Amino acid sequence: QKEVEQDPGPLSVPEGAIVSLNCTYSNSAFQYFMWYRQYSRKGPELLMYTYSSGNKEDGRFTAQVDKSSKYISLFIRDSQPSDSATYLCAMRVNDYKLSFGAGTTVTVRA
Amino acid sequence: GAVVSQHPSWVICKSGTSVKIECRSLDFQATTMFWYRQFPKQSLMLMATSNEGSKATYEQGVEKDKFLINHASLTLSTLTVTSAHPEDSSFYICSALPLGPIKNIQYFGAGTRLSVL
Repeated sequence: QKEVEQDPGPLSVPEGAIVSLNCTYSNSAFQYFMWYRQYSRKGPELLMYTYSSGNKEDGRFTAQVDKSSKYISLFIRDSQPSDSATYLCAMRVNDYKLSFGAGTTVTVRA
Repeated sequence: GAVVSQHPSWVICKSGTSVKIECRSLDFQATTMFWYRQFPKQSLMLMATSNEGSKATYEQGVEKDKFLINHASLTLSTLTVTSAHPEDSSFYICSALPLGPIKNIQYFGAGTRLSVL
């Protein structure tokens, strides 16, 4: 079993729809949770960063962490074609080594 | 702020040659940098953790003599793929952890695509 599980998709939605992404994990020691966006042949770009359980909102993006269920989510409201990318969840304990999910490829259709 | 520059962005080399990839933090100092490898449609796999002024820590299964890492300053780490072979063709990405991190966030470079003929 992988430490971080993420459905690779692909996920295709019409413009304006809500994109829902999620990851599950097995290591209960994870405390820091991140979502990165990666365009083709580019490095990951940090979108959201949360510590422990709870919700965090930043513009059209909402990140949720449920440590009791070992489940994290990212929601993108009013999706745009420019949101088409691969979204990677990542998490870590107190050191700085990140464990990544496989990434979900999202296409927003105009 | 927090820009990480990676060079080159794409390199093609012949089998048996060595290739050096540079990772620079442009507007911050980083005692720790990380090197990842990514195959098409797969996630990032950590290869090694690079600490300024000391030897790199390699992940299990990564050949340290094959992938030489040098972190000579607080803004530069290099990865040298020695005697490259076609199976080393991949996307290599570095990240840097700012000194005295407030947010404990890794900032990533744009990646280097290595093609070994």
